[in-house]
Amino acid sequence: GIQVEQSPPDLILQEGANSTLRCNFSDSVNNLQWFHQNPWGQLINLFYIPSGTKQNGRLSATTVATERYSLLYISSSQTTDSGVYFCAVEISGGYNKLIFGAGTRLAVHP
Amino acid sequence: NAGVTQTPKFQVLKTGQSMTLQCAQDMNHEYMSWYRQDPGMGLRLIHYSVGAGITDQGEVPNGYNVSRSTTEDFPLRLLSAAPSQTSVYFCASSYPPPDTQYFGPGTRLTVL
Repeated sequence: GIQVEQSPPDLILQEGANSTLRCNFSDSVNNLQWFHQNPWGQLINLFYIPSGTKQNGRLSATTVATERYSLLYISSSQTTDSGVYFCAVEISGGYNKLIFGAGTRLAVHP
Repeated sequence: NAGVTQTPKFQVLKTGQSMTLQCAQDMNHEYMSWYRQDPGMGLRLIHYSVGAGITDQGEVPNGYNVSRSTTEDFPLRLLSAAPSQTSVYFCASSYPPPDTQYFGPGTRLTVL
């Protein structure tokens, strides 16, 4: 089946720093989503981004479907950005069935 | 809107016991799914439904049953709990693709 790999697995930042998280996938996908899981376990959708670039405040994401990767940019990081960031892909066939990567665990220190 | 709600938040079972994890959504979403999250891993799909009366298996369906009698509810049943089912369970819902998925707060299940 499709493989979804995220890097780096762990990231420690000082507040105010910028970072880039990467998601590679091994086959064509219908769509790709980025999620943030906060320290309390809640999963929040950040981007629905099968291709192209989207921005939402300090966060932006780019997916290059032809090269099978996506990037999540976090600028001017804040302590509230801490948690785990997951990318998830929907494989062909639809039904919004998601295959998740293992995540990038981010800790932002003041 | 309450969004996606799950009950209970925490549950401890003994091996062999049965239970039902409840999931409800008030967004009139057709699609609903159950995922499990094990420590240090991403979520894995257990079962999903594309509408009332329609369910299908995901990646890890063994040991779980589902049914979908209404649009709003999608319960997950463990018939005979095993320690390997210790995990955090998330329910999600959405409109048909393309649409983002909305996740419930999760149920933390421990099987002794």
